[in-house]
Amino acid sequence: DAKTTQPNSMESNEEEPVHLPCNHSTISGTDYIHWYRQLPSQGPEYVIHGLTSNVNNRMASLAIAEDRKSSTLILHRATLRDAAVYYCAANFGNEKLTFGTGTRLTIIP
Amino acid sequence: EPEVTQTPSHQVTQMGQEVILRCVPISNHLYFYWYRQILGQKVEFLVSFYNNEISEKSEIFDDQFSVERPDGSNFTLKIRSTKLEDSAMYFCASSSEVRGNTIYFGEGSWLTVV
Repeated sequence: DAKTTQPNSMESNEEEPVHLPCNHSTISGTDYIHWYRQLPSQGPEYVIHGLTSNVNNRMASLAIAEDRKSSTLILHRATLRDAAVYYCAANFGNEKLTFGTGTRLTIIP
Repeated sequence: EPEVTQTPSHQVTQMGQEVILRCVPISNHLYFYWYRQILGQKVEFLVSFYNNEISEKSEIFDDQFSVERPDGSNFTLKIRSTKLEDSAMYFCASSSEVRGNTIYFGEGSWLTVV
């Protein structure tokens, strides 16, 4: 079944690292793993994507398991503005991106 | 930074009426998409469009839905006869390539069918 699975919610203290997990055991060898986040009443915002190697950008890091069946989005130092729903997504061999149900991240001041 | 723009931001329509949602994708992008999100649920794919034709569509995208790129800049989603269950946020998106490239989303058009 082509889908990603994520925990429904997570909490983290402000200024601490956050690790958001995602399982995507059915992705194909050429599927990229994408992460988006969504603030209330806004469109999904691109965070990061990768294929096999770990990736870093100014927003986050993406750690991809060696078997590619799971990945972890890492926010190195969470701020209150990072509170959002974080979606893991993949193509699963198609053009479309299939989104998971998302993890609602709450940041505790 | 270039962005995808959508109009209207919110539309209320009566059941059975036709609705057209408009989008201006990022100018050098070649792939265009519509997604929708029912309140409190996840983002769902509707349709992808490339080279002036539909390249992929979901089971949600039935005969009541159509897409068009009427000129070089706009990309529209038409719902011919709206139903209550069409109430949702509709997101337009675009990318320069498929698969490995970033898809950029607009802010969405909130459709309420009454």
